[in-house]
Amino acid sequence: DQQVKQNSPSLSVQEGRISILNCDYTNSMFDYFLWYKKYPAEGPTFLISISSIKDKNEDGRFTVFLNKSAKHLSLHIVPSQPGDSAVYFCAAENNNAGNMLTFGGGTRLMVKP
Amino acid sequence: KAGVTQTPRYLIKTRGQQVTLSCSPISGHRSVSWYQQTPGQGLQFLFEYFSETQRNKGNFPGRFSGRQFSNSRSEMNVSTLELGDSALYLCASSLVAGPNTGELFFGEGSRLTVL
Repeated sequence: DQQVKQNSPSLSVQEGRISILNCDYTNSMFDYFLWYKKYPAEGPTFLISISSIKDKNEDGRFTVFLNKSAKHLSLHIVPSQPGDSAVYFCAAENNNAGNMLTFGGGTRLMVKP
Repeated sequence: KAGVTQTPRYLIKTRGQQVTLSCSPISGHRSVSWYQQTPGQGLQFLFEYFSETQRNKGNFPGRFSGRQFSNSRSEMNVSTLELGDSALYLCASSLVAGPNTGELFFGEGSRLTVL
């Protein structure tokens, strides 16, 4: 039972355009959501997060949107850069359950120059 | 400051053997959690330790165990290795464990190959 799903295994966009990565979840107990970026041979690095009391959080080129009724979140990267090419993981947690993240399967983003 | 350090980075074992992986968290971080990454299952939570106590455990068999020391360093052990245990094992640390903890800081992982 996959509680967090990223239905697109890969995404290719042109440099300068917008990248939109999607994530769906099923567990209504999740109240905190995070995005991580992972390069090959490295551990995931934190990108941006959002609490369930918000519907948007922005940090520079990265914006995360949360639609609680649809149990859906998305990560927007504008403008996309070749250095953004990596695997992006969506993760969710119940803040009362400690640091137990449930990850999606990841989306490989390729930004073409 | 130094990041999360995992040792060894790579190791090869044979079925039936046991393995111990080590993780040194970021200085001052008291929460350490472990994840297994495989191509088929993605990133899966193994367990989390805080102040030497296991706070959470994922859905893994009892062959997987861990502990945390008073200096917050953590080890995980896998006994009676199976081929399916081949994976990247990631350790992550966090300053605290509780509401609004936010981000985890991951190490580069220990890649285990079981032959």
